[in-house]
Amino acid sequence: DVKVTQSSRYLVKRTGEKVFLECVQDMDHENMFWYRQDPGLGLRLIYFSYDVKMKEKGDIPEGYSVSREKKERFSLILESASTNQTSMYLCASSFGTSNYGYTFGSGTRLTVV
Amino acid sequence: QKEVEQNSGPLSVPEGAIASLNCTYSDRVSQSFFWYRQYSGKSPELIMSIYSNGDKEDGRFTAQLNKASQYVSLLIRDSQPSDSATYLCAVLEWGGGGNKLTFGTGTQLKVEL
Repeated sequence: DVKVTQSSRYLVKRTGEKVFLECVQDMDHENMFWYRQDPGLGLRLIYFSYDVKMKEKGDIPEGYSVSREKKERFSLILESASTNQTSMYLCASSFGTSNYGYTFGSGTRLTVV
Repeated sequence: QKEVEQNSGPLSVPEGAIASLNCTYSDRVSQSFFWYRQYSGKSPELIMSIYSNGDKEDGRFTAQLNKASQYVSLLIRDSQPSDSATYLCAVLEWGGGGNKLTFGTGTQLKVEL
């Protein structure tokens, strides 16, 4: 069964900390994505990657960076966490040129205090 | 910026009724459309995809697409309390070597006993 795994379900971090959110997929998908989801704002794309070592900015990349050293792993990095980055973070993956939509991970609810 | 519009709801229907969820999109080039269901506190799961004008049925779900009107809908027949969730419409766009989904903000559906 297709699977996208996010390392933490709940995370509490302090303001100014460097935060790493990890995502691993076992489907040999080329594309990987990081979204955040907030009430009333829907899913907003932070960064995405179409290949290893490749990354592209989404709609709200400020305050975030990403790393994709291996095909199966896509990491989201909050360089200096702030309270406005408190959110649900969702990782997703898909085949490169498919019409099959995304498979999502179970999400990480991050609280920055 | 491509836009996907949905009525946020909540849409309340009695058990056994037909629930009708609607979505409009701004990009005439879009070719692939998806409906995701998201239960509270969970990640989105894909329930329907549609690529051609007309209807596509899968069990109690029917997706309808009208590209001329830039309109896609989801009908849920014989609605059950377990269908209570937020339904996200998503539109596929191509670029940069892969695909990318743009999501609407979702419609909350409540099925009442």
